[in-house]
Amino acid sequence: QITLKESGPTVVKPTQTLTLTCSFSGFSLSTSGVGVGWIRQPPGKALEWLALIFWDDDKRYSPSLRSRLTITKDTSKSQVVLTLTNVDPVDTATYYCAHSYWGSQPPYFDSWGQGTLVTVSS
Amino acid sequence: QSVLTQPPSASETPGQRVTISCSGGSSNIGSNYVNWYQQVPGTAPELLIYRNNQRPSGVPDRFSGSKSGTSASLAISGLRSEDEGNYYCATWDDSLSGPVFGGGTKLTVL
Repeated sequence: QITLKESGPTVVKPTQTLTLTCSFSGFSLSTSGVGVGWIRQPPGKALEWLALIFWDDDKRYSPSLRSRLTITKDTSKSQVVLTLTNVDPVDTATYYCAHSYWGSQPPYFDSWGQGTLVTVSS
Repeated sequence: QSVLTQPPSASETPGQRVTISCSGGSSNIGSNYVNWYQQVPGTAPELLIYRNNQRPSGVPDRFSGSKSGTSASLAISGLRSEDEGNYYCATWDDSLSGPVFGGGTKLTVL
């Protein structure tokens, strides 16, 4: 059974760096094809994909946020970390991590964490 | 502004059938499988349909998906009150080298 859980600060001040951790179980990020992604959802708004990291350390970023995002993995700890620099109140959102798999076709997110709400406010 | 276009809302009475559309372009829906997610208010999204028309284990066959060209649709038959929530289409975009989501459709069961 695949489970994921997000953790990090609930409140961040503007201009600071947000660091979120996704801790997972039920799969390994060293297995061929496996990936973990981050998706966010501002209150009352739609889902927005942020970043993806795969078993071979291939990293993909949303073009609109590429300059502010970094995604890394710690396979031994079964964790993926996302950092978002220079946050602004518009970055207030629930942040989700999710499992994906890239086989013969591009991946989709088949298991999601519960999400963590991050508020950017001074 | 989402890459994939969905109607913001849909509604129908219990027992009836509703269809939600999702429109994209050649670099996304036109080239890749479409997936659908259901999000009940206050909870995380869940995969509802993958690879255009496949249902994960546990998803009732009342839910079905289809794709034609650069558009896709989600159909829900035999509507139930617990089907209320938001529905998102998603796919991979070859130009962006990443996944894209629709703006979501809020379904109300009257």
